[in-house]
Amino acid sequence: AQKITQTQPGMFVQEKEAVTLDCTYDTSDPSYGLFWYKQPSSGEMIFLIYQGSYDQQNATEGRYSLNFQKARKSANLVISASQLGDSAMYFCAMGRGGGADGLTFGKGTHLIIQP
Amino acid sequence: DTAVSQTPKYLVTQMGNDKSIKCEQNLGHDTMYWYKQDSKKFLKIMFSYNNKELIINETVPNRFSPKSPDKAHLNLHINSLELGDSAVYFCASSQARRFPGGRREQYFGPGTRLTVT
Repeated sequence: AQKITQTQPGMFVQEKEAVTLDCTYDTSDPSYGLFWYKQPSSGEMIFLIYQGSYDQQNATEGRYSLNFQKARKSANLVISASQLGDSAMYFCAMGRGGGADGLTFGKGTHLIIQP
Repeated sequence: DTAVSQTPKYLVTQMGNDKSIKCEQNLGHDTMYWYKQDSKKFLKIMFSYNNKELIINETVPNRFSPKSPDKAHLNLHINSLELGDSAVYFCASSQARRFPGGRREQYFGPGTRLTVT
């Protein structure tokens, strides 16, 4: 069984500071993918970034980067130069390698950016 | 163009009723999903479906059933609605590529807020 743990229920960060959102995972599958999604107060789920289990380099997408430490089973999201619009729920998720399986989500971190 | 759309956005109904939520994707994906987000924001997979297989989360009551008229649509039918079914239901789609080498991010619809009274 897969499990995603996000240990920060809520975070307050000053605007323009960098933010690290923690995510640890547990799986016995050798092939898997890790995802981060953003859910603003409007409710939609927005895909941010993906990391494959065999990827050698950490994924980056604009201001988002994923700090992937395979041995520690962690996949932290780093947001550089935070903006007020980054205030939202952030979910870490995992999918098994292959097939049509759905994603397993963590409980989320509520990030609030303060001016 | 809306990639994944759901209707209705809000659904208020009484216990015991039967209702459906429609989902359509125009991304050309071969796999669609239904998720339930509870009042604590926890997202849980309910169904995964492509033209080859239906994967059902074993915790989903059999009052819930997915119906797919074609690859672009996956509707959710709910019979005998209960108070505990109140939640936000998200449809999503992806291409069922295998890792590694193929990203398989899922694109979500806007969600349907179901309230059972």
